[in-house]
Amino acid sequence: QSALTQPPSVSGSPGQSVTISCTGTSSDIGSYNRVSWYQQPPGTAPKLMIYEVSNRPSGVPDRFSGSKSGNTASLTISGLQAEDEADYYCSSYTSSSTFVFGGGTKLTVL
Amino acid sequence: EVQLVESGGGLVQPGGSLRLSCAASGFTFSNYWMHWVRQAPGKGLVWVSRINSDESTTTYADSVKGRFTISRDNAKNTLFLQMNSLRADDTAVYFCVRALVNAWGAFDIWGQGTMVTVSS
Repeated sequence: QSALTQPPSVSGSPGQSVTISCTGTSSDIGSYNRVSWYQQPPGTAPKLMIYEVSNRPSGVPDRFSGSKSGNTASLTISGLQAEDEADYYCSSYTSSSTFVFGGGTKLTVL
Repeated sequence: EVQLVESGGGLVQPGGSLRLSCAASGFTFSNYWMHWVRQAPGKGLVWVSRINSDESTTTYADSVKGRFTISRDNAKNTLFLQMNSLRADDTAVYFCVRALVNAWGAFDIWGQGTMVTVSS
């Protein structure tokens, strides 16, 4: 199972919006609404930000939103804040009953 | 407080074995599917294995199938990962992870991780 494809890096200024894409195949993202997004600041464990494409766990700000179209999922962060600077990973359930992560995207807040 | 605490990591020679443990607290462990996810130094997250709540279903990534075994002891609120025939590319931080009930692949609680280094 190949990793999902994410851009290595994105950046934005405080207050702006950024979108991180996550491209898979018809065997994972394209077939299931089981896409999650994780935030990982340096040296810490990942934190669940979005699950089942667009659901936010309690405590996650509504500045974070998720969507999906075909084989590509997206995470949008609006009203960018300095504290949002971190690595972001997408993941999906697959037709092999396994899970696959993306390669990760480093978000820099300028 | 809901918590997962891994232990058992360390330095092992290629071909060797290691058993990781994950102690769960603050929630009803037996109700949840559990997973292991690893992260090589400076690299991304990689899903390793999962086990359902009553241990009747286990699944593995192709890279560890036949070498790693996931198990659990619900009476002791503990998850395990038996790792055999270890290779250099198994070197990583191993995270114990809880999955949300009725939300596949939503990994909501993560341990702090335990480092496994495979080297001669």
